[in-house]
Amino acid sequence: AQTVTQSQPEMSVQEAETVTLSCTYDTSESDYYLFWYKQPPSRQMILVIRQEAYKQQNATENRFSVNFQKAAKSFSLKISDSQLGDAAMYFCAYLNSGYSTLTFGKGTMLLVSP
Amino acid sequence: DVKVTQSSRYLVKRTGEKVFLECVQDMDHENMFWYRQDPGLGLRLIYFSYDVKMKEKGDIPEGYSVSREKKERFSLILESASTNQTSMYLCASSWGTSEQYFGPGTRLTVT
Repeated sequence: AQTVTQSQPEMSVQEAETVTLSCTYDTSESDYYLFWYKQPPSRQMILVIRQEAYKQQNATENRFSVNFQKAAKSFSLKISDSQLGDAAMYFCAYLNSGYSTLTFGKGTMLLVSP
Repeated sequence: DVKVTQSSRYLVKRTGEKVFLECVQDMDHENMFWYRQDPGLGLRLIYFSYDVKMKEKGDIPEGYSVSREKKERFSLILESASTNQTSMYLCASSWGTSEQYFGPGTRLTVT
């Protein structure tokens, strides 16, 4: 079974600084997808970024980028120029190709201070 | 934009009551999911459905059942609510193996 580990229960960052959230996963599959989801205090979970395992290029969405290391089974999220609105719980998730169910990590709470 | 709605944001029920949580999506997604979210445990899959009238057990199906009579609607049923089912319940939907879209959640308290 696949597992997803987020080793940082909580992280803090100051506005305008950069922060990296860690995620590792365990799988024997070669074709899969990885996601970062954000859950602000209002509780609506939204997709931040998506990475296909077959792509070597790291995904980027504006201030959000990932460092995908397939051999190391690592998928970290970098948030640049942090903003107060980035404060949220962030979940890393794994999806096996050909299946529809996600496996989630336990989440990292990101605190952003002025 | 995909919209997933849940019937209630907050719900308070008594032990032993039958509880229905409703979820509706408007994007013709084939897959729908029910999770519960608890502090320190992340999201755990209760049930999912990949088609009308089809259902599959997730990681923690005990004490729950589901119903999907129409493609856009997926209901979670607590046959006899217990205090250990106090939690945040999240519904999601997806197309194929794409990313899931989530509803706003229902905070259920069982007293």
